[in-house]
Amino acid sequence: RKEVEQDPGPFNVPEGATVAFNCTYSNSASQSFFWYRQDCRKEPKLLMSVYSSGNEDGRFTAQLNRASQYISLLIRDSKLSDSATYLCVVADSWGKLQFGAGTQVVVTP
Amino acid sequence: GAVVSQHPSRVICKSGTSVKIECRSLDFQATTMFWYRQFPKQSLMLMATSNEGSKATYEQGVEKDKFLINHASLTLSTLTVTSAHPEDSSFYICSARDWGTRSSYEQYFGPGTRLTVT
Repeated sequence: RKEVEQDPGPFNVPEGATVAFNCTYSNSASQSFFWYRQDCRKEPKLLMSVYSSGNEDGRFTAQLNRASQYISLLIRDSKLSDSATYLCVVADSWGKLQFGAGTQVVVTP
Repeated sequence: GAVVSQHPSRVICKSGTSVKIECRSLDFQATTMFWYRQFPKQSLMLMATSNEGSKATYEQGVEKDKFLINHASLTLSTLTVTSAHPEDSSFYICSARDWGTRSSYEQYFGPGTRLTVT
């Protein structure tokens, strides 16, 4: 079983719509959680950290459910530039990052 | 701030040769750097953790004699793929941790090196 699992998608989203997706993680001792964005053939870029209380950054909202061991990301008012692969990333107590394989989002005009 | 560079961005080499990839933290000191590999449509897989001035820690299944890592300074780590084979063709990405940031778990990624072994 993979340590971090994500629905690979693609999620085809009309411009302006809302899209949400989850990831699950297997290590209950995981300490920190992140969403990264990766464009085709580029390096991952940090989108946002995910806090226990949930947090919002502009059109992006992240939630963490430790009991069920899942993290979610919601994108409101989708823009064409939001098309990318979103990587769910979990850090253990040593700071080692485990990456999900990514969820592909395609925003269409 | 927190910029990481990698060189080269792309390299093509013949089977059996060695390739060195450099990872530099440009505006911060990175006591710890990480090397990842990503195959198409797969997640980033950690290969090794590199600490300045000490030997790298390799993940299970990664051959330390094949993937040589040197972290001689606080701003530079190198990965050398020795005796490269076509199956080593991949996207190699380094990252660095900036202990000065709010989140000590946050890592900053280099732009990656696409290695093709013919």
